Amino acid sequence: QVQLVQSGAEVKKPGASVKVSCKTSGYTFTHYAIHWVRQAPGQRLEWMGWINAGNDDTKYSQKFQGRVTMTRDTPATTVYMELNSLRSEDTAVYYCARITDNWSGTDVWGQGTTVTVSS
Amino acid sequence: EIVLTQSPATLSLSPGERATLSCRASQSVSSYLAWYQQKPGQAPRLLIYDTSNRATGIPARFSGSGSGTDFTLTISSLEPEDFAVYYCQQRSNWPPMYSFGQGTKLEIK
Repeated sequence: QVQLVQSGAEVKKPGASVKVSCKTSGYTFTHYAIHWVRQAPGQRLEWMGWINAGNDDTKYSQKFQGRVTMTRDTPATTVYMELNSLRSEDTAVYYCARITDNWSGTDVWGQGTTVTVSS
Repeated sequence: EIVLTQSPATLSLSPGERATLSCRASQSVSSYLAWYQQKPGQAPRLLIYDTSNRATGIPARFSGSGSGTDFTLTISSLEPEDFAVYYCQQRSNWPPMYSFGQGTKLEIK
């Protein structure tokens, strides 16, 4: 079955970087794009951007432009999200999610990765 | 950036009742509006895409409607498992950019 499995929890200091992985399986990796969405404690879902695993195109939310990089490793069927210059407000659960083939929603989600930023 | 505003923030109903959740966009999103359900400690689950299409495996009691800037998620008869937080999400035209509403918490009365 289709699965997205994310890397484990991270604890980082302010100013550091974090790189979260999302290992996909059960479908043709290059046929879909992947969102990254985060959720701070008790807060709304926040869209960060997407990467098209087929052609490596990316699109980032203006809020994260310049601070986030999304990449892919096609042989490993894995996508990555790296966030730089971390601050306490970046403490959140980070999700990867597969975008449907008509780009209208996200049908499969990873389990989430908790990133804690604390001095 | 398109801002989505959901109302009410909290909706208190009993099982068997009808729930109506609203999502208003700051500008037209055409029909590119989706709804998600999220339970505590879980990832969101896609319910509705393109305003009114149920995702795979979603029961018929969930329905979506609307156009332009005003959208509605209706749950015709609440089941105990429906009490959760609901988010709307819009998608802009190409290249697609997305945003979420702030959520409506559906709680048991």
